[in-house]
Amino acid sequence: GDSVTQMEGPVTLSEEAFLTINCTYTATGYPSLFWYVQYPGEGLQLLLKATKADDKGSNKGFEATYRKETTSFHLEKGSVQVSDSAVYFCALIYSNYQLIWGAGTKLIIKP
Amino acid sequence: GAVVSQHPSRVICKSGTSVKIECRSLDFQATTMFWYRQFPKQSLMLMATSNEGSKATYEQGVEKDKFLINHASLTLSTLTVTSAHPEDSSFYICSAKSTDTQYFGPGTRLTVL
Repeated sequence: GDSVTQMEGPVTLSEEAFLTINCTYTATGYPSLFWYVQYPGEGLQLLLKATKADDKGSNKGFEATYRKETTSFHLEKGSVQVSDSAVYFCALIYSNYQLIWGAGTKLIIKP
Repeated sequence: GAVVSQHPSRVICKSGTSVKIECRSLDFQATTMFWYRQFPKQSLMLMATSNEGSKATYEQGVEKDKFLINHASLTLSTLTVTSAHPEDSSFYICSAKSTDTQYFGPGTRLTVL
């Protein structure tokens, strides 16, 4: 069945470091791909999305490119801030608009 | 962007009582809403899909008689946890579908004593 695999956390970085959170997926069709973020004590927020192969989603300095050939949707940011500390979820939407989630990656940014 | 609200944000109840959680889409109509449960340090687990005007579709292993879902209008879905027990304590999150994107509510923290 369809699945999403994220790198295990926590990921701990210093402020201004480069961030990559890996996400790979298996799907029998052509899903849309999403990154959601959950800040401490808050609900989930849509961070970015890509609806087809080679699309790049971007928001708040974060980027992710839908790579069909490698079935990946890695999240990147050039210079992280303490305020980026959160849990990041990779997800795909395939049939019936139900999301298939990754397990989430906790990101800790130290000043 | 689309906004989804949940009420209450936190609730504490005694074992054996029932708790109702509301999920509202504030600026769009949603024929489909979803209810998730998040366990500590784990990802979201889809509990059920709520369709306006029809019965909810429950995921395998979710007790439909315990988690009652009502989607009476295009902007409101409710989840009622009946005869709650401590093991039902969790973070419940709803989402509403708009085109190909789901927008999430802020979640409800349920604590059953």
